[in-house]
Order: sequence, then C-alpha cells, then structure tokens
Amino acid sequence: KNQVEQSPQSLIILEGKNCTLQCNYTVSPFSNLRWYKQDTGRGPVSLTIMTFSENTKSNGRYTATLDADTKQSSLHITASQLSDSASYICVVSAYGNNDMRFGAGTRLTVKP
Amino acid sequence: DAGVIQSPRHEVTEMGQEVTLRCKPISGHDYLFWYRQTMMRGLELLIYFNNNVPIDDSGMPEDRFSAKMPNASFSTLKIQPSEPRDSAVYFCASSFRSNSNQPQHFGDGTRLSIL
Repeated sequence: KNQVEQSPQSLIILEGKNCTLQCNYTVSPFSNLRWYKQDTGRGPVSLTIMTFSENTKSNGRYTATLDADTKQSSLHITASQLSDSASYICVVSAYGNNDMRFGAGTRLTVKP
Repeated sequence: DAGVIQSPRHEVTEMGQEVTLRCKPISGHDYLFWYRQTMMRGLELLIYFNNNVPIDDSGMPEDRFSAKMPNASFSTLKIQPSEPRDSAVYFCASSFRSNSNQPQHFGDGTRLSIL
C-alpha cells in the first residue's frame, strides 16, 4: 500500500532555532514530492515540489531534500520565526496517474 | 491577485439537509480539486477535474456526494442527504497545465458542521 509517514507528529522549538521535519514514503512509481505549509484556519500553501532528479530545493528559509533511493525527504527550517508555527504536510504523487498520498502532517510550534 | 475562492466559509446544518459548497478557481487554471480534511484522516482527495471534465472521483466517499464543474470558473460539491460524519473542512484547489509538477493553490476551505 502506498503510504506517507511524517515525523515527528509535533514539535516545539524556540524562535531563531533550526529544525528538520521528516517524510518517508512507499509510493511507487514515484513522480514528485511536495511540502505544504498550513496555517490554522487556512488552506495549505505550497513550499516546494521535487521530482525524481532533484535532491535539494530551497524556498527562502525552507530547504527540502529528497533521497529517492531510500524514499526519504526532509524539510529544514532555518532561523525559525513565530510565523513558522503551522502544520507541514508531505504529499507524494505516483507516476502515470494523479494518485496523491498525504502524510498526516507535523505540527510545529515556534515559541518566543 | 485573487486566489481560489470558496463559499461559504462556515456552514452549520442539520442532518438530512442538502449542502452545497462552491469554488471559484484561479483564472487560467485547468485543474480543479476537491479535498476533505479531518483530524482523524487528514487531507483526502475527493475528486478532480481537468478542463471541466471529472477525471477521478474514486475518493468520493459515497453516492451522497456529487461534484460538478459547469464552466472553467465555477465548481460545486454537493452532499445530499448530509450526515454528522460528513463534518469536516472541505478545500478546493486549482493548478495550471499539468498537475504533476505544478503547485496546487488552495482556497481557505469551508468548515462544515452537520448536527
């Protein structure tokens, strides 16, 4: 069964610190992996999209990595800000169709 | 720059009633998606359209759910009759050209409560 597992489920860090969120998947054949940020009460916002051939992609203070061999991705947040408090969702798509598998998300809280 | 617009933002109704959720995608986008989000199950894709044509409705939970896209700028998701277990946040999203490597732009959702 194609699945996406995210860890940790929740995370609390102090403002200014870095953190890394993990996403492991078994979706096959792999097409792309997306990271979304979802603020409370809002829709998800796309942070990065990576295909098989990409292993790093940055969007400001957010850097996503992808290891297609081990089927792992990470989202690294540098110099966290209070506004980074949100849920981060990993979504993996299978090649050849639009079957998207969603992780349960990581709830990040940044405290002053 | 208008994003995806959903209405209503909140809906509270009694079980058995018909519920209609509305979505206006971003102009020029040719893919439209309907999602449901709950604490227990997270985000689930219900159905998506390409150029107003339903492509995959395998995520629609049961026959009580139906979705239409009469034109490129409007879509509806209807639940009839509604049940308490349908309570969730329903999101609409749209994307441009190929779905695969283009970002999906989400609306802010409709929070549906069925009493």
